[in-house]
Amino acid sequence: DTEVTQTPKHLVMGMTNKKSLKCEQHMGHRAMYWYKQKAKKPPELMFVYSYEKLSINESVPSRFSPECPNSSLLNLHLHALQPEDSALYLCASSQDLGEGNQPQHFGDGTRLSIL
Amino acid sequence: GENVEQHPSTLSVQEGDSAVIKCTYSDSASNYFPWYKQELGKGPQLIIDIRSNVGEKKDQRIAVTLNKTAKHFSLHITETQPEDSAVYFCAASTVGNAGNMLTFGGGTRLMVKP
Repeated sequence: DTEVTQTPKHLVMGMTNKKSLKCEQHMGHRAMYWYKQKAKKPPELMFVYSYEKLSINESVPSRFSPECPNSSLLNLHLHALQPEDSALYLCASSQDLGEGNQPQHFGDGTRLSIL
Repeated sequence: GENVEQHPSTLSVQEGDSAVIKCTYSDSASNYFPWYKQELGKGPQLIIDIRSNVGEKKDQRIAVTLNKTAKHFSLHITETQPEDSAVYFCAASTVGNAGNMLTFGGGTRLMVKP
């Protein structure tokens, strides 16, 4: 079992809905990440949080809104998504963003389908 | 920025045979190289990693080698088993303004036939 927990595992939503993806880790990690993965492709970085502050936004459309309420939780708020946003959304965490090359640990993702 | 190429994209082996997956990277400043295994319906799982001050690392049936001069690294799986069937991703870590970010290779689908 992964130490990064993501909920829900599956989500189907219409283009006008608002929903949220949740991620939780209890490893004491201070860096958390959102990735998007399309079928048969590697994960693509979306956002990075370091010590609960947004550190990197990889030019992600504003219909995706990340939030880091505390050091253990990471949310991704979704609104007015497009069919091409259907993908596996992965959360990851690492000890921090220091130069010590900290391994990233992934959750099992949320499979999102936009109708 | 960093670019990671991974080969082959698919690999089929008989149970008990060895499997080798190769990656090349472009940024000589990259200094950390993890390998992930992703099974169907799961997230990527870190299986082994290597840092640039080490040439080889082994963990049971899995080994990784790194050639910094040639900028390539490889994953070796010996005595393959059906449960090794999965997609494997290599990655390179490049130190940027916000710390270490991963650049992934395109993935290799490994199929181990019983």
